[in-house]
Amino acid sequence: DIQMTQSPSAMSASVGDRVTITCRASRAINNNVAWFQQKPGKVPQRLIYGASSLQSGVPSRFSGSGSGTEFTLTISSLQPEDFATYYCLQHNGFPLTFGQGTKVEIK
Amino acid sequence: QVQLVQSGAEVKKAGASVTVSCKASGYAFTSTYYIHWVRQAPGQGPEWMGVLDPRDGTTNYAQKFKGRATMTRDTSTSTVYLELSSLRSEDTALYYCARSQLWPLSLDSWGQGSLVTVSS
Repeated sequence: DIQMTQSPSAMSASVGDRVTITCRASRAINNNVAWFQQKPGKVPQRLIYGASSLQSGVPSRFSGSGSGTEFTLTISSLQPEDFATYYCLQHNGFPLTFGQGTKVEIK
Repeated sequence: QVQLVQSGAEVKKAGASVTVSCKASGYAFTSTYYIHWVRQAPGQGPEWMGVLDPRDGTTNYAQKFKGRATMTRDTSTSTVYLELSSLRSEDTALYYCARSQLWPLSLDSWGQGSLVTVSS
């Protein structure tokens, strides 16, 4: 199975900060990565698919990059509504696997 | 629009079985989409359990759930079912169904989740 190692597991940031979250795959997975945002008690919402394509309706401050084994989610200017937990998902084949999550908290 | 509507919360005793349903609407159920099941234990990240192809009922399970999880579908009602047997306390979680294309497998729509609580 492909393991997704996500870092950091938690971080504190201020409104307006640039935030970067990384996922490393245990082997090459082309661009088959998605990023999700989850707020407490809510369903995960897809932000990015195909490693870098922005989901319709998602603000442009979110971006994704990477290919192969290293993938990054960037929030260019953190907004109050962005405080949440973020997960990467590799979907290069079965089984799908998620990263462990990054909780972004208010500094 | 695409909707996946799941059944309500369940409370089960350890050792029992539970069945959760997921009714799809807003797209052609037996076309080019899979239905996946993902669970999330309290305070934990999501965990992929397996996938069903509504066209022919073909399934693929995560190793951890082989022999204990069974996914089926009813094409007449566009509904997918997840049965989990031999429940234990560690199975207490929110169970989500989610849709993907046949390729790529990115999960693009999710159900609202069904809480399963296992008591001893």
